[in-house]
Amino acid sequence: DIQMTQSPSSLSASVGDRVTITCQASQDISNYLNWYQQKPGKAPKLLIYDASNLETGVPSRFSGSGSGTDFTFTISSLQPEDIATYYCQQYDNLPTFGGGTKVEIK
Amino acid sequence: QITLKESGPTLVKPTQTLTLTCTFSGFSLSTSGVGVGWIRQPPGKALEWLALIYWDDDKRYSPSLKSRLTITKDTSKNQVVLTMTNMDPVDTATYYCAHSLSGVMNDYWGQGTLVTVSS
Repeated sequence: DIQMTQSPSSLSASVGDRVTITCQASQDISNYLNWYQQKPGKAPKLLIYDASNLETGVPSRFSGSGSGTDFTFTISSLQPEDIATYYCQQYDNLPTFGGGTKVEIK
Repeated sequence: QITLKESGPTLVKPTQTLTLTCTFSGFSLSTSGVGVGWIRQPPGKALEWLALIYWDDDKRYSPSLKSRLTITKDTSKNQVVLTMTNMDPVDTATYYCAHSLSGVMNDYWGQGTLVTVSS
């Protein structure tokens, strides 16, 4: 299995802050990485695919970068509606998810 | 418009077999590149990928659960069925199905269904 190490597991930031989440793969996955947003009681929502491509309709304050084993997800200006848990997921081989990052407002 | 919806029992007993059905609309599982997968999430925990079936009947399973899982499709009914044998309380989770199209995985999700394993 390819292991995905996501950090931090939680963070608290102010509205307008830049927020960064990282995900590290246990082996090279090229750019086969998704980022999801999950709000309480809801299904995950795809935000970023192929590491850096913004899904249709997703606000441009969300972005992703990286390739190989190291990936970054960024919210350029945190908004109250961004409170959620974010997950990375690789699909180079059999898919695996990261452990999630819970984002809260300070 | 693509939609998916999971259905099945809300409560199963330990050692029983769980059968979940994903009924979808807005796409066909006979279209090249299309897949439907299952993902679960225990209460308060992270997502866990389970299985995926493609338009050509190619099937993929989580290595840790492979011996317990079977995924099948019924293209005429627009359904994908997941069976999981020998259920245990640790399998208590919300089970989701999701659509994939070559190059983009899990772009549409069902609402999820909570399955509790308890005697």
